[in-house]
Amino acid sequence: SQQGEEDPQALSIQEGENATMNCSYKTSINNLQWYRQNSGRGLVHLILIRSNEREKHSGRLRVTLDTSKKSSSLLITASRAADTASYFCATPLYGNKLVFGAGTILRVKS
Amino acid sequence: GAVVSQHPSWVICKSGTSVKIECRSLDFQATTMFWYRQFPKQSLMLMATSNEGSKATYEQGVEKDKFLINHASLTLSTLTVTSAHPEDSSFYICSARGREHYNEQFFGPGTRLTVL
Repeated sequence: SQQGEEDPQALSIQEGENATMNCSYKTSINNLQWYRQNSGRGLVHLILIRSNEREKHSGRLRVTLDTSKKSSSLLITASRAADTASYFCATPLYGNKLVFGAGTILRVKS
Repeated sequence: GAVVSQHPSWVICKSGTSVKIECRSLDFQATTMFWYRQFPKQSLMLMATSNEGSKATYEQGVEKDKFLINHASLTLSTLTVTSAHPEDSSFYICSARGREHYNEQFFGPGTRLTVL
Protein backbone atom coordinates (compact mmCIF):
# COMPACT_ATOMS: atom_id res chain seq x y z
CA SER A 1 0.00 0.00 0.00
CA GLN A 2 1.14 3.51 -0.59
CA GLN A 3 2.14 5.58 2.39
CA GLY A 4 2.19 8.92 0.68
CA GLU A 5 -0.10 10.85 -1.52
CA GLU A 6 1.13 13.64 -3.68
CA ASP A 7 -0.42 16.61 -5.31
CA PRO A 8 -0.71 17.79 -7.86
CA GLN A 9 -0.71 14.65 -9.97
CA ALA A 10 0.58 16.66 -12.88
CA LEU A 11 2.07 20.12 -13.16
CA SER A 12 2.95 22.08 -16.28
CA ILE A 13 4.93 25.31 -15.98
CA GLN A 14 7.11 27.59 -18.06
CA GLU A 15 10.86 27.53 -17.81
CA GLY A 16 12.02 29.91 -15.09
CA GLU A 17 8.95 29.47 -12.93
CA ASN A 18 8.95 27.71 -9.60
CA ALA A 19 7.36 24.29 -9.13
CA THR A 20 5.89 23.13 -5.85
CA MET A 21 4.87 19.57 -5.13
CA ASN A 22 3.28 18.31 -1.95
CA CYS A 23 3.34 14.97 -0.23
CA SER A 24 1.30 13.65 2.66
CA TYR A 25 1.97 10.51 4.63
CA LYS A 26 0.14 8.47 7.22
CA THR A 27 2.45 7.00 9.83
CA SER A 28 5.26 8.35 11.97
CA ILE A 29 8.56 8.64 10.16
CA ASN A 30 12.19 9.32 10.98
CA ASN A 31 12.91 10.77 7.57
CA LEU A 32 11.31 11.55 4.24
CA GLN A 33 13.03 11.35 0.88
CA TRP A 34 12.37 12.85 -2.53
CA TYR A 35 13.30 11.14 -5.78
CA ARG A 36 13.21 12.10 -9.43
CA GLN A 37 12.50 9.72 -12.27
CA ASN A 38 13.04 10.62 -15.89
CA SER A 39 10.72 8.86 -18.30
CA GLY A 40 11.52 5.16 -18.51
CA ARG A 41 14.52 5.44 -16.23
CA GLY A 42 15.51 4.59 -12.69
CA LEU A 43 15.17 6.85 -9.69
CA VAL A 44 17.61 9.50 -8.61
CA HIS A 45 17.78 10.43 -4.95
CA LEU A 46 17.32 14.18 -4.55
CA ILE A 47 17.19 14.98 -0.89
CA LEU A 48 16.49 13.47 2.52
CA ILE A 49 14.97 15.43 5.37
CA ARG A 50 14.97 14.03 8.89
CA SER A 51 11.98 14.21 11.18
CA ASN A 52 13.69 16.79 13.42
CA GLU A 53 14.34 19.10 10.47
CA ARG A 54 11.81 21.58 9.16
CA GLU A 55 13.54 22.74 6.01
CA LYS A 56 16.44 21.68 3.86
CA HIS A 57 18.08 23.12 0.77
CA SER A 58 20.10 21.57 -2.00
CA GLY A 59 20.89 23.81 -4.95
CA ARG A 60 17.58 24.85 -6.52
CA LEU A 61 15.65 22.42 -4.33
CA ARG A 62 13.96 23.31 -1.10
CA VAL A 63 12.18 20.71 0.99
CA THR A 64 9.99 21.37 3.99
CA LEU A 65 8.61 18.90 6.47
CA ASP A 66 5.70 19.41 8.83
CA THR A 67 5.42 16.36 11.06
CA SER A 68 2.35 17.72 12.82
CA LYS A 69 0.49 17.73 9.51
CA LYS A 70 2.35 14.70 8.17
CA SER A 71 3.23 16.56 5.02
CA SER A 72 6.22 17.65 3.01
CA SER A 73 6.75 19.93 0.05
CA LEU A 74 9.39 20.06 -2.65
CA LEU A 75 10.07 23.40 -4.29
CA ILE A 76 12.14 23.63 -7.45
CA THR A 77 13.14 27.21 -8.14
CA ALA A 78 13.93 28.70 -11.54
CA SER A 79 12.86 25.52 -13.30
CA ARG A 80 14.53 24.28 -16.46
CA ALA A 81 13.34 22.04 -19.25
CA ALA A 82 15.69 19.37 -17.90
CA ASP A 83 13.66 19.29 -14.68
CA THR A 84 10.84 17.61 -16.62
CA ALA A 85 10.36 14.30 -14.81
CA SER A 86 8.22 12.51 -12.26
CA TYR A 87 8.89 13.32 -8.63
CA PHE A 88 8.15 10.95 -5.78
CA CYS A 89 8.29 11.25 -2.05
CA ALA A 90 9.17 8.14 -0.09
CA THR A 91 9.13 7.22 3.56
CA PRO A 92 10.96 4.32 5.17
CA LEU A 93 9.05 1.69 7.07
CA TYR A 94 10.39 -1.17 9.14
CA GLY A 95 13.31 -2.96 7.56
CA ASN A 96 14.18 0.24 5.73
CA LYS A 97 11.58 -0.53 3.11
CA LEU A 98 10.63 2.57 1.18
CA VAL A 99 7.02 3.32 0.48
CA PHE A 100 6.48 5.72 -2.37
CA GLY A 101 3.84 8.31 -2.96
CA ALA A 102 1.83 8.41 -6.14
CA GLY A 103 4.16 10.95 -7.71
CA THR A 104 3.84 14.27 -9.50
CA ILE A 105 4.54 14.50 -13.21
CA LEU A 106 6.28 17.81 -13.86
CA ARG A 107 6.58 19.26 -17.32
CA VAL A 108 8.66 22.36 -17.83
CA LYS A 109 8.03 24.05 -21.14
CA SER A 110 10.81 26.01 -22.80
CA GLY B 1 29.97 6.04 -5.80
CA ALA B 2 26.97 3.84 -4.97
CA VAL B 3 26.13 2.75 -8.50
CA VAL B 4 23.60 0.06 -9.23
CA SER B 5 23.21 -1.53 -12.64
CA GLN B 6 20.49 -3.71 -14.11
CA HIS B 7 20.63 -6.07 -17.01
CA PRO B 8 18.98 -6.23 -19.42
CA SER B 9 17.57 -2.74 -19.80
CA TRP B 10 14.70 -4.12 -21.85
CA VAL B 11 13.49 -7.55 -22.84
CA ILE B 12 10.71 -8.91 -25.00
CA CYS B 13 9.67 -12.51 -24.52
CA LYS B 14 6.93 -14.90 -25.50
CA SER B 15 4.18 -15.86 -23.11
CA GLY B 16 5.14 -18.90 -21.05
CA THR B 17 8.86 -18.31 -21.03
CA SER B 18 10.96 -17.26 -18.04
CA VAL B 19 13.01 -14.10 -17.87
CA LYS B 20 15.90 -13.33 -15.53
CA ILE B 21 16.81 -9.78 -14.54
CA GLU B 22 20.09 -9.00 -12.83
CA CYS B 23 20.77 -6.25 -10.33
CA ARG B 24 24.36 -5.46 -9.41
CA SER B 25 25.95 -3.05 -6.99
CA LEU B 26 29.11 -1.92 -8.73
CA ASP B 27 31.08 -0.17 -6.04
CA PHE B 28 29.67 -1.26 -2.70
CA GLN B 29 28.51 -4.37 -0.96
CA ALA B 30 24.73 -4.54 -1.00
CA THR B 31 23.55 -6.22 2.16
CA THR B 32 19.96 -5.59 1.14
CA MET B 33 18.35 -5.35 -2.27
CA PHE B 34 14.80 -4.40 -3.08
CA TRP B 35 12.73 -5.20 -6.15
CA TYR B 36 9.99 -2.86 -7.32
CA ARG B 37 7.44 -2.98 -10.07
CA GLN B 38 6.08 0.07 -11.83
CA PHE B 39 3.17 0.26 -14.25
CA PRO B 40 2.95 3.17 -16.70
CA LYS B 41 2.29 6.51 -15.05
CA GLN B 42 2.09 4.88 -11.64
CA SER B 43 4.29 4.77 -8.59
CA LEU B 44 6.73 2.08 -7.55
CA MET B 45 5.31 -0.87 -5.68
CA LEU B 46 7.69 -2.91 -3.56
CA MET B 47 7.64 -6.57 -4.51
CA ALA B 48 10.23 -8.08 -2.22
CA THR B 49 13.25 -7.46 -0.04
CA SER B 50 16.27 -9.70 -0.23
CA ASN B 51 19.14 -9.90 2.19
CA GLU B 52 22.37 -11.52 1.12
CA GLY B 53 22.42 -15.21 1.90
CA SER B 54 18.83 -15.48 3.05
CA LYS B 55 15.43 -15.97 1.46
CA ALA B 56 13.61 -12.98 0.10
CA THR B 57 10.69 -11.48 1.95
CA TYR B 58 7.76 -10.89 -0.37
CA GLU B 59 5.11 -8.22 -0.02
CA GLN B 60 1.50 -9.22 0.34
CA GLY B 61 -0.01 -10.24 -2.96
CA VAL B 62 3.29 -11.00 -4.68
CA GLU B 63 3.61 -14.65 -5.71
CA LYS B 64 6.98 -15.96 -4.62
CA ASP B 65 6.80 -18.90 -7.02
CA LYS B 66 6.13 -16.50 -9.86
CA PHE B 67 8.86 -14.02 -9.03
CA LEU B 68 11.94 -15.91 -7.91
CA ILE B 69 14.54 -13.79 -6.18
CA ASN B 70 18.08 -14.86 -5.47
CA HIS B 71 20.63 -12.75 -3.59
CA ALA B 72 23.59 -15.08 -3.62
CA SER B 73 26.35 -12.53 -3.24
CA LEU B 74 26.90 -9.07 -1.83
CA THR B 75 26.88 -7.55 -5.30
CA LEU B 76 24.24 -9.48 -7.19
CA SER B 77 20.54 -10.17 -6.91
CA THR B 78 18.41 -11.72 -9.61
CA LEU B 79 14.68 -11.63 -10.26
CA THR B 80 13.28 -14.39 -12.44
CA VAL B 81 9.78 -13.97 -13.81
CA THR B 82 8.64 -17.53 -14.39
CA SER B 83 6.11 -18.51 -17.03
CA ALA B 84 5.63 -14.90 -17.96
CA HIS B 85 2.26 -13.66 -19.19
CA PRO B 86 1.28 -10.36 -20.82
CA GLU B 87 0.04 -9.02 -17.48
CA ASP B 88 3.60 -9.34 -16.16
CA SER B 89 4.68 -6.68 -18.63
CA SER B 90 5.99 -3.85 -16.54
CA PHE B 91 9.02 -1.81 -15.54
CA TYR B 92 11.06 -3.62 -12.90
CA ILE B 93 13.46 -1.61 -10.77
CA CYS B 94 15.91 -2.79 -8.17
CA SER B 95 17.58 -0.82 -5.43
CA ALA B 96 20.37 -1.66 -3.06
CA ARG B 97 21.84 -0.47 0.17
CA GLY B 98 24.98 -1.33 2.07
CA ARG B 99 25.67 -1.33 5.79
CA GLU B 100 27.06 2.18 5.49
CA HIS B 101 23.91 3.47 3.75
CA TYR B 102 21.64 3.69 6.71
CA ASN B 103 18.90 5.85 5.24
CA GLU B 104 19.49 5.64 1.55
CA GLN B 105 18.81 3.21 -1.26
CA PHE B 106 20.44 3.39 -4.67
CA PHE B 107 18.33 2.53 -7.65
CA GLY B 108 19.15 0.71 -10.82
CA PRO B 109 18.04 2.11 -14.19
CA GLY B 110 15.20 -0.37 -14.49
CA THR B 111 14.28 -3.17 -16.88
CA ARG B 112 11.34 -2.89 -19.27
CA LEU B 113 9.70 -6.30 -19.68
CA THR B 114 7.23 -6.88 -22.50
CA VAL B 115 5.53 -10.25 -22.71
CA LEU B 116 3.87 -11.00 -26.02
